[in-house]
Amino acid sequence: GQNIDQPTEMTATEGAIVQINCTYQTSGFNGLFWYQQHAGEAPTFLSYNVLDGLEEKGRFSSFLSRSKGYSYLLLKELQMKDSASYLCAVMDSNYQLIWGAGTKLIIKP
Amino acid sequence: ETGVTQTPRHLVMGMTNKKSLKCEQHLGHNAMYWYKQSAKKPLELMFVYSLEERVENNSVPSRFSPECPNSSHLFLHLHTLQPEDSALYLCASSQDESSGANVLTFGAGSRLTVL
Repeated sequence: GQNIDQPTEMTATEGAIVQINCTYQTSGFNGLFWYQQHAGEAPTFLSYNVLDGLEEKGRFSSFLSRSKGYSYLLLKELQMKDSASYLCAVMDSNYQLIWGAGTKLIIKP
Repeated sequence: ETGVTQTPRHLVMGMTNKKSLKCEQHLGHNAMYWYKQSAKKPLELMFVYSLEERVENNSVPSRFSPECPNSSHLFLHLHTLQPEDSALYLCASSQDESSGANVLTFGAGSRLTVL
C-alpha cells in the first residue's frame, strides 16, 4: 500500500531551527508537496520538489531524496507565527496525491 | 482571503437533516475537489471534478452527493449523516487535475458536527 510518515507533533523554540521529516512509499513519484495549515484556516502551499536536492525559499527550505523516499522541511529563525501543522503529500504515478497525517509544530518563546 | 470561499464555516445538523456545503473559486481553475479532514488523519479525497465532469469518486457513501454546476462552484449535499461524519470538509481547486506540479488552493473549510 501507499504510505506517508511524518511525526505527529514537534516543539521548538523561537529563533531556532527545526527540521520536519517525511518518508514515503508510493506507486511511482511525480513530486512531493509541503503545505502549512494554521488552526482553523486553509492549508497553503509551501513547496514542491520533483528532483533531488534542496529548494530554498526565504526562511523555509525543502529537501528531497527520491532514492531514499525521504524529504524534510527546514524552518529557520522560527517565529511564533510558524506554529501550525505541516502537511507532506506525494503525487503518485496516477497523479493522485497521497497525504501524510501532518506534523503539529509548537513554537515556544 | 484564499481565493476559494466555503460556506458555511460551521454547521451543526441532526442525522435526519438535509444540508449543503458550498464552495466558490474565481481563480480560473479547471479542477475542484472535496476533501474530508479528521483529527490526526491524512486528508481523504472524496470527489474530483475536472471541467465540471466528475473524474473521481473514492468510494464515498451515497449520503454525500456532489454537484458542480459550473467551473466556479462546487456543492456537497448532505443527508442522513452519521456522527462519524463529523469533520472539517475542505474544498480545493487547481489549474488541472493531472499534472505534476498540481498546486491546490484550499478554502478554509466547513466544520461539520453531526448530532
